Amino acid sequence: KQEVTQIPAALSVPEGENLVLNCSFTDSAIYNLQWFRQDPGKGLTSLLLIQSSQREQTSGRLNASLDKSSGRSTLYIAASQPGDSATYLCAPQGIGNTPLVFGKGTRLSVIA
Amino acid sequence: SAVISQKPSRDICQRGTSLTIQCQVDSQVTMMFWYRQQPGQSLTLIATANQGSEATYESGFVIDKFPISRPNLTFSTLTVSNMSPEDSSIYLCSVSGPLGYEQYFGPGTRLTVT
Repeated sequence: KQEVTQIPAALSVPEGENLVLNCSFTDSAIYNLQWFRQDPGKGLTSLLLIQSSQREQTSGRLNASLDKSSGRSTLYIAASQPGDSATYLCAPQGIGNTPLVFGKGTRLSVIA
Repeated sequence: SAVISQKPSRDICQRGTSLTIQCQVDSQVTMMFWYRQQPGQSLTLIATANQGSEATYESGFVIDKFPISRPNLTFSTLTVSNMSPEDSSIYLCSVSGPLGYEQYFGPGTRLTVT
């Protein structure tokens, strides 16, 4: 059974800092991995998807990397802004269009 | 991408009653997923719903408590039956994109049971 761990559980940084969120998963036989953002009391917004054959994906100030063999992914946020404050969730997907498995997330607070 | 809407967006219900949550997608999809997010927790899969077949429930979730309908390729409902305060959660539906890669989520239904 896939288990996902996200470290740190919470993070508070001043505006402008670069930061890294970590995700590890126990079963490396994944199809892809998605990073999501969730604002308080809201649904999930997809940020980046990395296919199992890829090493990284970039979107604006966000860069996600994937090391499938070691069961790790990182989300790098450059030049953080207060609007980045949210909970970030990583979710690997198994082969065969199986449902995503979620970590508990990292709650990010960027202070102006 | 897929655009997903859910109704209601939130509700406050009394113990012992039932609530049906609707999920509408703007395109035809094969698989729809229902998740629950209890306060302060991450998402837990309730069931997978394919059109034309019975939903597949995860361990700890049963059809009598969470009946699901999937009448066509763009719509599904989840009913939370005989509610208790422990059912207070955000309920989210999700679908896979056309290539089965990216998953998209609805805005969620915030349920409070008193």
